[in-house]
Amino acid sequence: AQKVTQAQTEISVVEKEDVTLDCVYETRDTTYYLFWYKQPPSGELVFLIRRNSFDEQNEISGRYSWNFQKSTSSFNFTITASQVVDSAVYFCALSEKGYSSASKIIFGSGTRLSIRP
Amino acid sequence: EPEVTQTPSHQVTQMGQEVILRCVPISNHLYFYWYRQILGQKVEFLVSFYNNEISEKSEIFDDQFSVERPDGSNFTLKIRSTKLEDSAMYFCASSKGSSVETQYFGPGTRLLVL
Repeated sequence: AQKVTQAQTEISVVEKEDVTLDCVYETRDTTYYLFWYKQPPSGELVFLIRRNSFDEQNEISGRYSWNFQKSTSSFNFTITASQVVDSAVYFCALSEKGYSSASKIIFGSGTRLSIRP
Repeated sequence: EPEVTQTPSHQVTQMGQEVILRCVPISNHLYFYWYRQILGQKVEFLVSFYNNEISEKSEIFDDQFSVERPDGSNFTLKIRSTKLEDSAMYFCASSKGSSVETQYFGPGTRLLVL
């Protein structure tokens, strides 16, 4: 069965520190996609990145970087030089093809990140 | 940039009442979804919808729930007789294509059942 585990429930760091959010997934599919979403205090879900199972290249976008390692079924997210505005709940997610043409997203339980000034 | 919109942003209702949550997906998207997030918990899939019919539904999506695309732009979630445990944030999402296209989420409707 598909599953996403975010073992870190809450993380608190001081501004400008680097922080890594861990994500481990389980799937029997050979083709799948992984996502990270940000949920700020206002509640909306903001898409950050999508990664397919055949592309293990790490990705960097500004202060954000993602490390996908198929061998350990992990898709970790690092924020460099964190800022107070990064405070949010971050969800790692896995898409599942399912038996229909539409996919569904399976979310992890989220990591609440607090950046202290 | 096109975005998914949802109305209302907040709704308070009495137990047993019917509620309809409305969503306007991104205009050229073909797949539509509802998800639910009980306060402090993870986001859970409810239902996917394509070509005017349900593609898949979770065990949460029981007979009290229904979805509809009444016209070319709206996508609705109806809860027939609300229960206290239906209190949650409901997110609508849409995607352009099938399978594993990125789903873009609306801002959510926070439903409180008293």
